Amino acid sequence: ETGVTQTPRHLVMGMTNKKSLKCEQHLGHNAMYWYKQSAKKPLELMFVYNFKEQTENNSVPSRFSPECPNSSHLFLHLHTLQPEDSALYLCASSQENLLAALTDTQYFGPGTRLTVL
Amino acid sequence: KNQVEQSPQSLIILEGKNCTLQCNYTVSPFSNLRWYKQDTGRGPVSLTIMTFSENTKSNGRYTATLDADTKQSSLHITASQLSDSASYICVVSVVTYKLSFGAGTTVTVRA
Repeated sequence: ETGVTQTPRHLVMGMTNKKSLKCEQHLGHNAMYWYKQSAKKPLELMFVYNFKEQTENNSVPSRFSPECPNSSHLFLHLHTLQPEDSALYLCASSQENLLAALTDTQYFGPGTRLTVL
Repeated sequence: KNQVEQSPQSLIILEGKNCTLQCNYTVSPFSNLRWYKQDTGRGPVSLTIMTFSENTKSNGRYTATLDADTKQSSLHITASQLSDSASYICVVSVVTYKLSFGAGTTVTVRA
C-alpha cells in the first residue's frame, strides 16, 4: 500500500446525480492532487492543493469541484457529469517542501473507476 | 503534441526474457525523470527517479537510463516475471508538480 486511500473504488452514476470522491493520505504530506486517467491517454492533472490551498486548476469544468479541508483529506465533488467524464480518477500526495522538491515523489492512491451513464 | 512520447505502445514477452521500454521527451528545463509501474486497477507506483546529473538507476530487476543530451530514457526489465505485467509510465518534471506524463507502455508477460 502507498499510504493513500481512495473511496469508493468504483462508482456508477447518472448524468443528473451528485456524488463525491474521497482521498486520504497517511504520509504527513503537504500537497495533494487529483488526476484523470482515460484509456490509452497520459494522466491529466486536474487540481493541486498545497498546504490546503488550491495552487492549480488545470482548466477543469465546473462540474468537478474539489475540496481540501486539511492536508490529509481531499474530495472531488461531482455533479451533472457527462459520459465522456468516465475514467479512472487518481489522487496523489507528495511532501512538497523546498528540500525535497528536486526528488520529490508523488504517491498515488488506487483510484476510483467512474462510469457516467 | 505530448511532451513525453513512449514506445512501444504495448509489447508481449515470454517469462524470463528481457525487454526495454523507450521514453523520449521535449520538456525543458528538465528537473527529473521518473518511471512508474501501474498494475491493472491500481494507482501508479514509483520505480525509479533520476535527476539531470544521473544516467542510470536500478531497482531490483528494473534499470532506468537517462541521456539528458538526447532527451531519452529507457527502462530495462531483466528476467521478466508474470508480475511484471503492467503499464509503465515515463514522467518528466520541471518542478515537483509540473509533471508531463507519457501515455505508457503496456507490458504483458506470458508463461
